[in-house]
Amino acid sequence: EIVLTQSPGTLSLSPGERATLSCRASQSISSSYLAWFQQRPGQAPRLLIYGASTRATGVPDRFSGSGSGTDFTLTISRLEPEDFAVYYCHQSNYSPRTFGQGTKVEIK
Amino acid sequence: QVQLQESGPGLVKPSETLSLTCTVSGGSISSSYWSWIRRPPGKGLEWFGFIYYSGNTNYNPSLRSRVTISLDMSKNQFSLKLTSVTAADTAVYYCARGMSAFSAFDIWGQGAMVTVSS
Repeated sequence: EIVLTQSPGTLSLSPGERATLSCRASQSISSSYLAWFQQRPGQAPRLLIYGASTRATGVPDRFSGSGSGTDFTLTISRLEPEDFAVYYCHQSNYSPRTFGQGTKVEIK
Repeated sequence: QVQLQESGPGLVKPSETLSLTCTVSGGSISSSYWSWIRRPPGKGLEWFGFIYYSGNTNYNPSLRSRVTISLDMSKNQFSLKLTSVTAADTAVYYCARGMSAFSAFDIWGQGAMVTVSS
């Protein structure tokens, strides 16, 4: 099973700051099958990025994804109040599909 | 616009079977791949498996012995059964759609909280 390790576990930032979230895979995966989700309290996860770098429909352009192989990054260029949430990376290259343990972006 | 809605008991006794249904509205179940995912309190997301409209399934090996995912095309629904539940199965359960066997989950239900307790 592919293990996805996200860092940091918690990111404390202020609105307007830049957030950089990391996701490292235990073995190389195709960037076509790496996605990022956002989950706000009490809500279902929302697809932000798929194919490592393609924004899903309706996702603001302050969200961007990059990476390949085993190292992937989600960047939020300027944090808005609604961006404070938990973010998960996810791989669908190999079965079983797996998720990272999540990075919580909290207000400093 | 396709929407998903989970339904089922919110409380299940230990050793019994957890059963949930996901109703697909605004589109047909006879395309796409339909998955179940859960999030235990304070933990991350865990994928159970998916079913395709043909009936083909793919299960997470860690849960395969206890899980059955099925679909009812006449009702535009798919279901999850998890046998021999314990407190560790307490979680929010989500149904979700993937457009292909490898694509990300683009549509999710709101989630159903299931507690395992006597």
